[in-house]
Amino acid sequence: DVKVTQSSRYLVKRTGEKVFLECVQDMDHENMFWYRQDPGLGLRLIYFSYDVKMKEKGDIPEGYSVSREKKERFSLILESASTNQTSMYLCASSEGTGGVIEQYFGPGTRLTVT
Amino acid sequence: AQSVSQHNHHVILSEAASLELGCNYSYGGTVNLFWYVQYPGQHLQLLLKYFSGDPLVKGIKGFEAEFIKSKFSFNLRKPSVQWSDTAEYFCAVNPVYNTDKLIFGTGTRLQVFP
Repeated sequence: DVKVTQSSRYLVKRTGEKVFLECVQDMDHENMFWYRQDPGLGLRLIYFSYDVKMKEKGDIPEGYSVSREKKERFSLILESASTNQTSMYLCASSEGTGGVIEQYFGPGTRLTVT
Repeated sequence: AQSVSQHNHHVILSEAASLELGCNYSYGGTVNLFWYVQYPGQHLQLLLKYFSGDPLVKGIKGFEAEFIKSKFSFNLRKPSVQWSDTAEYFCAVNPVYNTDKLIFGTGTRLQVFP
């Protein structure tokens, strides 16, 4: 079974702090994604990566950056957390272009910025 | 821009009632279609998917969905719901030209009462 793990289930940070959210997948997937999930808005794509050191902006990249130094790990960085970044953050992975496009999700990190 | 609409935001049913959740998308080309489910406290998981072939697809736990190309729809159905189907349901579309990106709907929260 594909396993996608996220470093924290719950996180509380102060406004202005730098926040790191970590995601690891164990299936050698090419693609990795970061979403935020908000009530009534569904899942919105923040960033995705289709290869090590490659990244592309999703629909709402402002205020976020990402890092993918190793194939299995994809980090989401909030450079200076703000209260409007309080949300549930979901990481996902998928096999790669031409392969199975089903995305596998981690359990999520509920981030509260105070 | 492509979008996915789920018009039912919150559905309340009694056990044994029939379920149909609507999903419409706005993209004229070839698409792959998905329904994901998120049970309370659990991660998002795939319910069923359509890539090609028979437009009526069957998924886990007795769910099925029908792809109607002329209506740009992919509605989810279950003839008789159970209390354990209480969850949030997300429709997602992958425009085939756009590799592995998924566009999610805003979700439908289903509550089933015994």
